[in-house]
Amino acid sequence: GENVEQHPSTLSVQEGDSAVIKCTYSDSASNYFPWYKQELGKGPQLIIDIRSNVGEKKDQRIAVTLNKTAKHFSLHITETQPEDSAVYFCAASYGGSQGNLIFGKGTKLSVKP
Amino acid sequence: DTGVSQDPRHKITKRGQNVTFRCDPISEHNRLYWYRQTLGQGPEFLTYFQNEAQLEKSRLLSDRFSAERPKGSFSTLEIQRTEQGDSAMYLCASSLGYQGFHGYTFGSGTRLTVV
Repeated sequence: GENVEQHPSTLSVQEGDSAVIKCTYSDSASNYFPWYKQELGKGPQLIIDIRSNVGEKKDQRIAVTLNKTAKHFSLHITETQPEDSAVYFCAASYGGSQGNLIFGKGTKLSVKP
Repeated sequence: DTGVSQDPRHKITKRGQNVTFRCDPISEHNRLYWYRQTLGQGPEFLTYFQNEAQLEKSRLLSDRFSAERPKGSFSTLEIQRTEQGDSAMYLCASSLGYQGFHGYTFGSGTRLTVV
């Protein structure tokens, strides 16, 4: 079946450094790619998303890049802060669905002060 | 509170019992989604509604699971004859849109433990 692979599963950085999380997807019909941040005991929170007609999108310290040919997309967080520590999930829309997102397994990001 | 509300936050039930969860979406959102998340995994799609119509169901959704959104506002997810494998966090999300994908707002989830 369709899947989304996410790497790394854990990532530890020093405060102020950059963090990069990478995902690959298998469904060539995927056209929507959101990223979610999940803190302990809470639901996932949308932090940025990108559609297939765009190669890059930036929002303050967060950016996402998409390479449709290679079927991969990445999240870049610059100038990391301790409050960025959380689990991050990438997702890709599933085929012709307008409601089904396929999520990666998550990356636990730890930012050390 | 303008977020997505889920009730209860936690539910412990004995195997074989039925359980029902409720989700109140953001009031102006026409789409509502149910996902399931187990420990160490990303959320898995179960089903979604546009207004009161259930438009998609995952093949993960066995016939023991049923979801409703009778008036296009709140939704309920019922699991009949619960099994230990049903233990998970059940997440509800909502969004506004009619075509294509739009950013979801998730609730904090209902954690189900089947003993």
